Amino acid sequence: AQSVTQLDSQVPVFEEAPVELRCNYSSSVSVYLFWYVQYPNQGLQLLLKYLSGSTLVESINGFEAEFNKSQTSFHLRKPSVHISDTAEYFCAVSPSNTGNQFYFGTGTSLTVIP
Amino acid sequence: DAGITQSPRHKVTETGTPVTLRCHQTENHRYMYWYRQDPGHGLRLIHYSYGVKDTDKGEVSDGYSVSRSKTEDFLLTLESATSSQTSVYFCAIGDSMNTEAFFGQGTRLTVV
Repeated sequence: AQSVTQLDSQVPVFEEAPVELRCNYSSSVSVYLFWYVQYPNQGLQLLLKYLSGSTLVESINGFEAEFNKSQTSFHLRKPSVHISDTAEYFCAVSPSNTGNQFYFGTGTSLTVIP
Repeated sequence: DAGITQSPRHKVTETGTPVTLRCHQTENHRYMYWYRQDPGHGLRLIHYSYGVKDTDKGEVSDGYSVSRSKTEDFLLTLESATSSQTSVYFCAIGDSMNTEAFFGQGTRLTVV
């Protein structure tokens, strides 16, 4: 069975400070990994993904995540956050043997404080 | 939102009534999904489809049924709505295997 754990349900951080949102998963097979962002009253938007290759992946708005297979983690980081980064962030995995299913964590609410 | 339209966007219904939510896509993607989002639970998969008339159950499928008679439409039906089905429902679509899912704007369903 697959599971995704986002250890922090809420993360407050001051503007221009760094942030890390943690994501751990468990799976008996190889996985593909994703981070999605959800702004209030909207659907989820893909932030970044790891499919293969370099374990460090980046988004266009300064976020990055690193796939760590030994620790089964895919933590999301940003060196300097902006007010506009305030949103809900979801980690998701898609195991290689589940016919394109996606499993989501419970989400982390990031609040950037001016 | 990658050409995904959910309807209705909001609905209030009474316990015991049938409800159908519609997801329409213009991307010709093979995979379509229905998720529900609840506080503290994240998104949970209800049903998904991997082609016309090809569907399968997700982790929270009890009380829900789906149909996909055309590539572009995926319907979610609550045969007899219950208060526990009050939630925000998201449709998603996907193209290639395990790449990513694109989400609609959601339908907020309240069962009173």
